[in-house]
Amino acid sequence: QKEVEQDPGPLSVPEGAIVSLNCTYSNSAFQYFMWYRQYSRKGPELLMYTYSSGNKEDGRFTAQVDKSSKYISLFIRDSQPSDSATYLCALNSGAGSYQLTFGKGTKLSVIP
Amino acid sequence: GAGVSQSPSNKVTEKGKDVELRCDPISGHTALYWYRQSLGQGLEFLIYFQGNSAPDKSGLPSDRFSAERTGGSVSTLTIQRTQQEDSAVYLCASSSSGLRSYEQYFGPGTRLTVT
Repeated sequence: QKEVEQDPGPLSVPEGAIVSLNCTYSNSAFQYFMWYRQYSRKGPELLMYTYSSGNKEDGRFTAQVDKSSKYISLFIRDSQPSDSATYLCALNSGAGSYQLTFGKGTKLSVIP
Repeated sequence: GAGVSQSPSNKVTEKGKDVELRCDPISGHTALYWYRQSLGQGLEFLIYFQGNSAPDKSGLPSDRFSAERTGGSVSTLTIQRTQQEDSAVYLCASSSSGLRSYEQYFGPGTRLTVT
């Protein structure tokens, strides 16, 4: 079983839709949960990070962590064509651990 | 402020040649990371620098790969005797410290093509 599983998509939604992106993981030691957005031929851009379980909201983006189910989600409300990108989840166990474990990314297209 | 910068943005080289990739981290960031992103693959950790400590080279795929960081700032990743399987995007990231590794900021990457 891979440490982090992420559906590669592609996921295509109409403009204005609510998008749900997800990752599952197997290692219960993970404490920090990050979402990165990567546009084509660009580096990953940190969108937000969450520590432990719970929700975190930033504008149209909401990150949700359920450690009991080892399941993390990113919701995008009122999706825009500019949201079209690959979204990567990344996990870190904290406590001085410096390695991020990445999902392979989900490619999202928001159609005008 | 300025983000992480990398150069060159693209590099095409012949098999067997050596290449050097450069990374300028965010000013004041003491931790620096190199990753490799191959088509269809996730990000693969290569090496980690934290301040003046010995780097963690555990992710380097072979002894043809090496990296150094001068003066705690700029880093260079060197690939000797390049092979076609080295073709990938090489990404550099930095964080304010190793304790904030969950908050890594990436550069735009160097796209390496080995012909």
